[in-house]
Amino acid sequence: EAGVAQSPRYKIIEKRQSVAFWCNPISGHATLYWYQQILGQGPKLLIQFQNNGVVDDSQLPKDRFSAERLKGVDSTLKIQPAKLEDSAVYLCASSSGTSGRTDTQYFGPGTRLTVL
Amino acid sequence: GNSVTQMEGPVTLSEEAFLTINCTYTATGYPSLFWYVQYPGEGLQLLLKATKADDKGSNKGFEATYRKETTSFHLEKGSVQVSDSAVYFCALQNTGTASKLTFGTGTRLQVTL
Repeated sequence: EAGVAQSPRYKIIEKRQSVAFWCNPISGHATLYWYQQILGQGPKLLIQFQNNGVVDDSQLPKDRFSAERLKGVDSTLKIQPAKLEDSAVYLCASSSGTSGRTDTQYFGPGTRLTVL
Repeated sequence: GNSVTQMEGPVTLSEEAFLTINCTYTATGYPSLFWYVQYPGEGLQLLLKATKADDKGSNKGFEATYRKETTSFHLEKGSVQVSDSAVYFCALQNTGTASKLTFGTGTRLQVTL
């Protein structure tokens, strides 16, 4: 079974530029998550999708971050314009969304963003 | 709100030493608890989990027991190997389907020969 795919793996941009990250979840997984992991910290949820609807985007800085999952499969996370503090690893995860007691999340390799 | 507190690293051990990484949590209700591991240059991998009080999760020689009375989920391994060198994250997930994970800050483990 293929895992969660993300691209690109690395990206370097200057502040005020735009950047986009792509994620393809495990086939059949209804739930998709984007996490931000700043160096030395644990991942923090940015946005959660159930199929193509947003479940939780309370921690997403909506003035500069946007995300979509139009067909309920792959997803794109965009930052426009980027700030220095956006330097982090952006992790995508997916889960089946159907488990009754707990729903294991599977993570992609992440995209390391450096904003200069 | 939910939170997870882990012991600060780095933790440096000699091969075959006993490992304990402490993790305590604050949550409403009865969350599920997880340990994820991040090897150098790789993504997060689920190491083990426990979904209710007194459950013991285990994998690859690692163990952790869900202790509701002390709100803890400490990670242990009897004999570490150099290949265990990685960053370990404790996390919780509220009950119900498709809930977000709340992570601790991670503990770096370095095992030397």
